[in-house]
Amino acid sequence: EVQLVESGGLVVQPGGSLRLSCAASGFTFHDYTMHWVRQIPGKSLEWVSLITLDGGSTFYAETVRGRFTISRDNSRNIVFLQMNSLTTEDSALYYCAKEKGRVIDHWGQGTLVTVSS
Amino acid sequence: EVVMTQSPATLSVSPGERATLSCRASHGVSDWVAWYQQRPGQAPRLLIYGASTGAPGVPARFSGSGSGTDFTLTISGLQSEDIAVYYCLEYNTWPPKGTFGQGTKVEL
Repeated sequence: EVQLVESGGLVVQPGGSLRLSCAASGFTFHDYTMHWVRQIPGKSLEWVSLITLDGGSTFYAETVRGRFTISRDNSRNIVFLQMNSLTTEDSALYYCAKEKGRVIDHWGQGTLVTVSS
Repeated sequence: EVVMTQSPATLSVSPGERATLSCRASHGVSDWVAWYQQRPGQAPRLLIYGASTGAPGVPARFSGSGSGTDFTLTISGLQSEDIAVYYCLEYNTWPPKGTFGQGTKVEL
């Protein structure tokens, strides 16, 4: 069974930094592209970033490019999202997700990031 | 950038009835559309991909159709556990540009 468990969500001040982690199990981690998607409670979903199976390519939404960095450790089956220069507009539930054949097919339960002074 | 527009925003359906949800793409996306179900307090769950292929374990009452710009998710015989928000996503664009629809809330 595929499991994705996010952690690292906290309350942080504007301008601060945070690193999210996602521990994966139940599948061959290094064979799959991984994503981060966020959701403001009560609102729709916003794709944030992806990293290809070997970590060789990364992509970002315009809203986070230059501030967020995605990475992965295939030896530990973990994907990370380093978030810098946070603003209140980054407050959201952050989901880690697995891709199969270009479609996101599994999601974690999310970790909540709150940016507030 | 492709914009996905879902309608209606809210759909009220009686148990056992059919629910029809629509999603329109601003540009043609072939059949690269997925549908997700998000129950209250839960993460999204993949229902349909490739516009019409059911994901593993998804009940047969969920079906998808469409191609190009117009897509439909049908729930035949609504059950109480189907109360959720449903999102469409186009993945013709890769890497993705965050093109989820705004969601349709299905309520009893």
